[in-house]
Amino acid sequence: EVQLLESGGGLVQPGGSLRLSCVASGFTFNTYAMSWVRQAPGKGLEWISVISGSGDEPYYADSVKGRFTIFRDNSKNTLYLQMNSLRADDTAVYYCGRYTPCDLWGQGTLVTVSS
Amino acid sequence: EIVMTQSPATLSVSPGERATFSCRASQSVRTNLAWYQQKPGQAPRLLIYGASTRATGTPARFSGSGSGTEFTLTISSLQSEDFAVYYCQQYNHWPPLSFGGGTKVEMK
Repeated sequence: EVQLLESGGGLVQPGGSLRLSCVASGFTFNTYAMSWVRQAPGKGLEWISVISGSGDEPYYADSVKGRFTIFRDNSKNTLYLQMNSLRADDTAVYYCGRYTPCDLWGQGTLVTVSS
Repeated sequence: EIVMTQSPATLSVSPGERATFSCRASQSVRTNLAWYQQKPGQAPRLLIYGASTRATGTPARFSGSGSGTEFTLTISSLQSEDFAVYYCQQYNHWPPLSFGGGTKVEMK
């Protein structure tokens, strides 16, 4: 089955770190660029990062640049988002998506930044 | 940075009626425009890409049009399962791959 499965969300204190994972199955992972998109509670979608299929071209939204790092392990069919220096306004459901535009989405993982 | 603006924010429609809503880009994105549908508690779903090409599984009642800075999504005859929030996204000039703020289609 073609799917994406995120994990790694949870409650973290301001200034803390978290790493999200997105495991892909059912397609040739290394041939697709992959994105992270987030959605704060009750708000719209916000694109935050994309990475090429080879993993050597990452791009970021200004809101996360310098704090978040996107990377992938194509041998494990897994996309990651390393989130450092987390702030309250990073609280959101984080989705991984395949390609641009995203034709396949994970179910999302909730990140809550609170003391 | 390209800013995407959707209107209206909320659209009240009765089942069976036609629904039309808009997405405007702050500069030309050619036809590199996608539409997504999102229902409560669910991930978004790609409906339209290339401004007018239906994604796999998108019913024919959904149609997209436009190019440059002005785009429209039309649902020809609204079904109960179409009540949702719709987002546009440009992928012509990035980063960022900016989304619009969304249009909520609710039952009248």
